[in-house]
Amino acid sequence: RKEVEQDPGPFNVPEGATVAFNCTYSNSASQSFFWYRQDCRKEPKLLMSVYSSGNEDGRFTAQLNRASQYISLLIRDSKLSDSATYLCVVNGGSGGSNYKLTFGKGTLLTVNP
Amino acid sequence: DAMVIQNPRYQVTQFGKPVTLSCSQTLNHNVMYWYQQKSSQAPKLLFHYYDKDFNNEADTPDNFQSRRPNTSFCFLDIRSPGLGDAAMYLCATSRGGGRETQYFGPGTRLLVL
Repeated sequence: RKEVEQDPGPFNVPEGATVAFNCTYSNSASQSFFWYRQDCRKEPKLLMSVYSSGNEDGRFTAQLNRASQYISLLIRDSKLSDSATYLCVVNGGSGGSNYKLTFGKGTLLTVNP
Repeated sequence: DAMVIQNPRYQVTQFGKPVTLSCSQTLNHNVMYWYQQKSSQAPKLLFHYYDKDFNNEADTPDNFQSRRPNTSFCFLDIRSPGLGDAAMYLCATSRGGGRETQYFGPGTRLLVL
């Protein structure tokens, strides 16, 4: 099983649509979870951290299910500017060091006018 | 204000010709990381420094080395670049201690001719 596995995508949605990304992770000892956004040929940037109780930031909602080792990201009322690759990121990669992050391969989202 | 700076943004080198990529940070973070990212793939951690302590990933080729002369600077040396080393190289920093965000520089795109 891959350490962090995401929907392969790509997702093509119209403006205003709601889109959900799913992610599973294999390291049950992981404590920190993030969604990063990466625009084409740019660096990854933190979109939001994911907390056990779930958290929301405007149109973005992140959920964590530790029992299932599952993370999700929901984008409501999608905008053209949301087009990017969304990376699921988990701390505590193989070999210890809980500050190390393991990245999923990412899911490409294209929002169409 | 730039927090993690990478130079150059684009680097062209010849097969087998040593090349050095640089990274600097104004965050005074303890940990600095080097990632390699190829097209449509997740960032792959090559190694990191926690303060002066160097931590190599098990599958990082010997061709890749790193130096951290002080808190602010970290270098990636590729001793004999091959065609397969063409990629985006991302530098990131974090405070250290676990569970915190990594901040990425804009990356250096390496082309090997």
